Amino acid sequence: SSELTQPPSVSVSPGQTARITCSGDVLAKQYVYWYQHKAGRAPVTVIYKDIERPSEMPDRFSGSSSGTTATLTISGVQAEDEADYHCQSTDRSGITWVFGGGTRLTVL
Amino acid sequence: EVQLVESGGGKVQPGGSLRLSCAASGFTFSDFTMHWVRQAPGKGLEWLSYISASGDIIYYSDSVRGRFDISRDNAENSLFLQMNSLRVEDTGEYYCARDCSGCRRYWGRGTLVTVSS
Repeated sequence: SSELTQPPSVSVSPGQTARITCSGDVLAKQYVYWYQHKAGRAPVTVIYKDIERPSEMPDRFSGSSSGTTATLTISGVQAEDEADYHCQSTDRSGITWVFGGGTRLTVL
Repeated sequence: EVQLVESGGGKVQPGGSLRLSCAASGFTFSDFTMHWVRQAPGKGLEWLSYISASGDIIYYSDSVRGRFDISRDNAENSLFLQMNSLRVEDTGEYYCARDCSGCRRYWGRGTLVTVSS
């Protein structure tokens, strides 16, 4: 299957650690990318190639991947981290993109 | 600064057509493959189409193949999506995105397409 599965929602208090998972068979062979999306704004890459973080992103964002599950971890969550987070990978062609359903992160 | 700006969205009746544009700046457009992605109201992101850097390799999702046509003008740093035979279920925010296998990907802010009678 080329589908990716994410939890619909995750809620944490400020300062806590948020973990968002993404699972799918393709992740065993393809990289995962994570995007932060706030309403009315362009999605922003927070993690690429499983674990790489763009220099502009705070180091509280980290990624990991094992087997068919990838995890986005946000340590010391801040109110500004409240957003939708989408995981994305590619199908067996390595070209066409597949997405998870998105996870709404709520900072309590 | 990398910028992608979509335009061309609007309201159209079922069966109608729209042409979306994506203006790129801040990078060498002709070096990068590009994608169109959409998000229906209350739904997740859905990949629609891919075009190689030179424009000679194109892919579509099953949901739009035969109705949508992706193209690019590298001289004008622009990406396009011609959408025909539009359906109510095509309603959503449409984004262009710059691919990059070894670096961060960039997205535009999107343009809204509403298909309704």
